[in-house]
Amino acid sequence: DGGITQSPKYLFRKEGQNVTLSCEQNLNHDAMYWYRQDPGQGLRLIYYSQIVNDFQKGDIAEGYSVSREKKESFPLTVTSAQKNPTAFYLCASSLWDRGGNQPQHFGDGTRLSIL
Amino acid sequence: GENVEQHPSTLSVQEGDSAVIKCTYSDSASNYFPWYKQELGKRPQLIIDIRSNVGEKKDQRIAVTLNKTAKHFSLHITETQPEDSAVYFCAASSPTGRRALTFGSGTRLQVQP
Repeated sequence: DGGITQSPKYLFRKEGQNVTLSCEQNLNHDAMYWYRQDPGQGLRLIYYSQIVNDFQKGDIAEGYSVSREKKESFPLTVTSAQKNPTAFYLCASSLWDRGGNQPQHFGDGTRLSIL
Repeated sequence: GENVEQHPSTLSVQEGDSAVIKCTYSDSASNYFPWYKQELGKRPQLIIDIRSNVGEKKDQRIAVTLNKTAKHFSLHITETQPEDSAVYFCAASSPTGRRALTFGSGTRLQVQP
């Protein structure tokens, strides 16, 4: 969707380096999500945030960190502790309700590779 | 937590035929079931969704059915066209626990002209 912007489109990480992936949305959505997609596989949840200054671990949070200082922004840092970071990273956002059942809209993704 | 299984992993049909993709979920409290289409290298796009208070929903050539008793839901595409070729993902969300989508592993649909 045009309302979710991920940058950069391609990113290369050197050994021992932390890198940060950007995700910005102008849809006024409360909730934001980060997913990892490996070739030929589904989407695995890394972290998600329902409200500013709060976030929760997903299924594969180890080696990753996030922050949610603004409603519009949810950056993901891939730390050096993530030994296999090569993947396609997708950011998504949605409205939020107690049922958690609002459609998620995705950005165009960032493809991360190891140098 | 929620577990979503999706079958088949690959599906090849002739143009004009129908395609059916099935998913099962584990959390009986799940109440929201979206389907996404992802073309190669692109973002997943929502194509249809269904909530637990509805048994079936249709949008032109696409329909989704939900069986809450059996805890499974299916995507039906009729009169398939080559542009339907893509990877399709199902997902489920529960109002309990983490309240975020859990995705199936995907189905690669190939429509042969």
